[in-house]
Amino acid sequence: AQKVTQAQTEISVVEKEDVTLDCVYETRDTTYYLFWYKQPPSGELVFLIRRNSFDEQNEISGRYSWNFQKSTSSFNFTITASLVVDSAVYFCALVSANSGYALNFGKGTSLLVTP
Amino acid sequence: KAGVTQTPRYLIKTRGQQVTLSCSPISGHRSVSWYQQTPGQGLQFLFEYFSETQRNKGNFPGRFSGRQFSNSRSEMNVSTLELGDSALYLCASSLTGFSGNTIYFGEGSWLTVV
Repeated sequence: AQKVTQAQTEISVVEKEDVTLDCVYETRDTTYYLFWYKQPPSGELVFLIRRNSFDEQNEISGRYSWNFQKSTSSFNFTITASLVVDSAVYFCALVSANSGYALNFGKGTSLLVTP
Repeated sequence: KAGVTQTPRYLIKTRGQQVTLSCSPISGHRSVSWYQQTPGQGLQFLFEYFSETQRNKGNFPGRFSGRQFSNSRSEMNVSTLELGDSALYLCASSLTGFSGNTIYFGEGSWLTVV
């Protein structure tokens, strides 16, 4: 069985602070893909990043960075110098060939950035 | 490039009625999947279609059904609506549905059952 755990339900930070959103996953598959999505109040899930299980290279995109560590089954997401517009719910998800084309989502972390 | 388009965006239905939701995937994408999002259960997979064939179905009752047309557009139907069906229904598209594809979501259809 596959499982994604986002232990942080809600996080509140002040603008310009750095914040890390945790994601821990479980899978028996050797080939899998991890995703992060952002969901603003409008409802749309906005794609942020996809990482495959064979690529442990960390990635940085502007103020966003991702730390993938297979040894701890974690795929954490850091926002540097957070802005009010970063306020949203963030979801981590896992898919593999054995998951039948279905994304397994964590429960999400609600991030509130205040001025 | 147009994204995933879902219609309608908001709708209110009465218990016992049925509802049909529509999804147009990104041009060139042949895999369409549907998810239900509720505060209690989170995001749950409903089903996935590729080339008009359902390849996988989540753990939902038979009242939930879907189909895909030759142009890859998809519809999902919920019959005999229950209050618990109130949710955000999200459609996603990808090139082939292969796990290595990037999966893009639409804005969703907010369904309220009263």
